Amino acid sequence: ETGVTQTPRHLVMGMTNKKSLKCEQHLGHNAMYWYKQSAKKPLELMFVYSLEERVENNSVPSRFSPECPNSSHLFLHLHTLQPEDSALYLCASSQALAGGPTDTQYFGPGTRLTVL
Amino acid sequence: GQSLEQPSEVTAVEGAIVQINCTYQTSGFYGLSWYQQHDGGAPTFLSYNGLDGLEETGRFSSFLSRSDSYGYLLLQELQMKDSASYFCAVRVLTGANNLFFGTGTRLTVIP
Repeated sequence: ETGVTQTPRHLVMGMTNKKSLKCEQHLGHNAMYWYKQSAKKPLELMFVYSLEERVENNSVPSRFSPECPNSSHLFLHLHTLQPEDSALYLCASSQALAGGPTDTQYFGPGTRLTVL
Repeated sequence: GQSLEQPSEVTAVEGAIVQINCTYQTSGFYGLSWYQQHDGGAPTFLSYNGLDGLEETGRFSSFLSRSDSYGYLLLQELQMKDSASYFCAVRVLTGANNLFFGTGTRLTVIP
């Protein structure tokens, strides 16, 4: 257990569906992240939140919409996804954003998403 | 941009020692981290090198040479449970996107 939980663990959705991924961290961290992990590719950073403010949006398509209502929770809202969006979506948190030991990122177990 | 290279697969025998190399090209380099990920699991933090040299944590050690843009993860006394993917990741100073991952090395430990 890393102190970061994600639900659901598995999700199958059609291209016209709307769904949301949820992440919760119990570590008292100030920064949270969404990553996409596809086979044979590096982890791709999607969004970064620091103190509930979005500080990074890595040219992610608008069909992915993040929400950070407080420092412990992070959502990823999904709509009209494409089959190529099928991947493992990982949430992570860190104490701070700046470089140094305190920015070690702790990951949740991920949501395995399949888009039909 | 950032680029990292590490071998895609490594196989080693239980009880042996294995070294997983990582070379990188990056701007604003701050340090090198290593993560372990078992199938179906979360990446978990193993070690961090901010300075040149060797960091040891139990059976795992990590090394960094800034001048060579190179690091490695050393796993000793391999156990079957060490079969997993291992990712190196560079930390950079610039911006909020401050952690860039390699594609991972799949380690298989055989009896």
